[in-house]
Amino acid sequence: GAVVSQHPSWVICKSGTSVKIECRSLDFQATTMFWYRQFPKQSLMLMATSNEGSKATYEQGVEKDKFLINHASLTLSTLTVTSAHPEDSSFYICSARGGVGGYGYTFGSGTRLTVV
Amino acid sequence: DQQVKQNSPSLSVQEGRISILNCDYTNSMFDYFLWYKKYPAEGPTFLISISSIKDKNEDGRFTVFLNKSAKHLSLHIVPSQPGDSAVYFCAASARDSGYALNFGKGTSLLVTP
Repeated sequence: GAVVSQHPSWVICKSGTSVKIECRSLDFQATTMFWYRQFPKQSLMLMATSNEGSKATYEQGVEKDKFLINHASLTLSTLTVTSAHPEDSSFYICSARGGVGGYGYTFGSGTRLTVV
Repeated sequence: DQQVKQNSPSLSVQEGRISILNCDYTNSMFDYFLWYKKYPAEGPTFLISISSIKDKNEDGRFTVFLNKSAKHLSLHIVPSQPGDSAVYFCAASARDSGYALNFGKGTSLLVTP
């Protein structure tokens, strides 16, 4: 079945540094990838939609200069949290369309980011 | 503005009985609905979906019902098993919004032996 590999699964970084999260579709080509963020006991909130070869589309209230998204190939999208602050600590999940079942959505396993 | 709502944060059911998880939505443009199961610190796992042209979809122990006039859907799990204990998210999508998923806040299901 379709697999989306997300790395790292967890990361701790110092305030002010940048962190890159990778999301790869392993056995299918994902023209569109979605990045979500989840706070404890909250919903998964869509941050941005990335399309291969073009600029990402950010949801209202998401700072595009802070959350840099690159979708350079059909199998790789990256989210870079720049100048991280403690309030950026959250669970980040990517999703790609191109698998089977469930509208073709396949989710990564998520990344727990803690900024200290 | 939460367009998909799961008003029950938690539900406890005895093993073997039916679990019913509810979901309401406000956007009439949603045309596809999905249920996901999620464990802490993991990505969601797809369970079952339904198109807006249907009112019921069944897959094994899982059945999703859609009532478009009420903008309501529900997930039935029967019989419930302890392994079903997890957080269940309802999600909805609209073709004209690029198929992005809108999630509810989730319902934590506990199935007790």
